[in-house]
Amino acid sequence: GEDVEQSLFLSVREGDSSVINCTYTDSSSTYLYWYKQEPGAGLQLLTYIFSNMDMKQDQRLTVLLNKKDKHLSLRIADTQTGDSAIYFCAESSSGSSNTGKLIFGQGTTLQVKP
Amino acid sequence: EPEVTQTPSHQVTQMGQEVILRCVPISNHLYFYWYRQILGQKVEFLVSFYNNEISEKSEIFDDQFSVERPDGSNFTLKIRSTKLEDSAMYFCASSEDPGGETQYFGPGTRLLVL
Repeated sequence: GEDVEQSLFLSVREGDSSVINCTYTDSSSTYLYWYKQEPGAGLQLLTYIFSNMDMKQDQRLTVLLNKKDKHLSLRIADTQTGDSAIYFCAESSSGSSNTGKLIFGQGTTLQVKP
Repeated sequence: EPEVTQTPSHQVTQMGQEVILRCVPISNHLYFYWYRQILGQKVEFLVSFYNNEISEKSEIFDDQFSVERPDGSNFTLKIRSTKLEDSAMYFCASSEDPGGETQYFGPGTRLLVL
């Protein structure tokens, strides 16, 4: 079945780059997403990438997609303490007749140390 | 910036009681979703809704669950007879895209069933 996996925890120093990784199983996913969740808040859509793209850059965020390996990564340049949050990878389910069903990973907690 | 809102933020109920979780999607969005996250587990899709009909539902979304758009602004999730295992954070999301390419999430309702 469809599944998305992420590592659970990443700790970096302020100013360093963070790379959060994700693997997924559904090779027919149309879109892949990164969501951010701060304590007590909902899921904030950070960025998404269409499956026919390899890379997408948006200010400090770079998304890399390796379709062959079904691997997605999110790189945050110049990580700040305000980037501390849980980051969720998600894929759109191709089996959903395009109803928008998202399959989420378990989330990676990013800790940024001053 | 428009956002999805949810009420209440927290709900405590007794097992067997009915609960209604409320969501106000972004005003020009037509596609609506409910997800839930049991503590320590992944965010799981429950149901998608469009044009007053369920587009897709997961195995979790059994006869105890129902969704409704009672007026032009609210989108509700009803659990008829709550069980202990229904305790979770429930997220509403909305999208203007038919495939739900960009889903915007509310802050969630934390439901605790005692």
